[in-house]
Amino acid sequence: ETGVTQTPRHLVMGMTNKKSLKCEQHLGHNAMYWYKQSAKKPLELMFVYSLEERVENNSVPSRFSPECPNSSHLFLHLHTLQPEDSALYLCASSQGTQVRQETQYFGPGTRLLVL
Amino acid sequence: KNQVEQSPQSLIILEGKNCTLQCNYTVSPFSNLRWYKQDTGRGPVSLTIMTFSENTKSNGRYTATLDADTKQSSLHITASQLSDSASYICVVSVGDTGFQKLVFGTGTRLLVSP
Repeated sequence: ETGVTQTPRHLVMGMTNKKSLKCEQHLGHNAMYWYKQSAKKPLELMFVYSLEERVENNSVPSRFSPECPNSSHLFLHLHTLQPEDSALYLCASSQGTQVRQETQYFGPGTRLLVL
Repeated sequence: KNQVEQSPQSLIILEGKNCTLQCNYTVSPFSNLRWYKQDTGRGPVSLTIMTFSENTKSNGRYTATLDADTKQSSLHITASQLSDSASYICVVSVGDTGFQKLVFGTGTRLLVSP
């Protein structure tokens, strides 16, 4: 295991539902990330938090809302999603966000299906 | 435009055979290059990381090479095992200072057949 856990591992939701993805890291890292992984596409960075402050938001639709209550926990709140949002959502953590910092450690992901 | 391209997209080899995966990148300024292994249903796990001055790095049966002049990297897997079946993702870090931006390839899906 990488020290990064994600729940739930699988999620099916309708377009009108509200759900949340949870990520927890046990590595003492200061930075946490949300990525979207769609089939045959590179990982897409969604959000970055450093010391609980959002430092990057890659033009992600407002139907995705991140929350970082402390340096060990990261949430992704979902509401009124579209079928094209179906993907694997990966959480990662690293010691910091600067160049030459430690490698990012990924969680197992949440496989999301929007009907 | 910063880009990472990997080839082949997919590969099937017999157990015990060797294989080489390719990664070409157009990234500036280059900071480092990583290879990740992603098992089905799992998140990526780092295999190797190389900076500009490193030409080769090994991790068990995995050996990565880097040619900074041609902007190419390869991942060589020796004496493949069934557990090597996974996607292998090349990731290049951009920037000399400040926020670390990663550029991901689409991966090579490897299947090791008994």
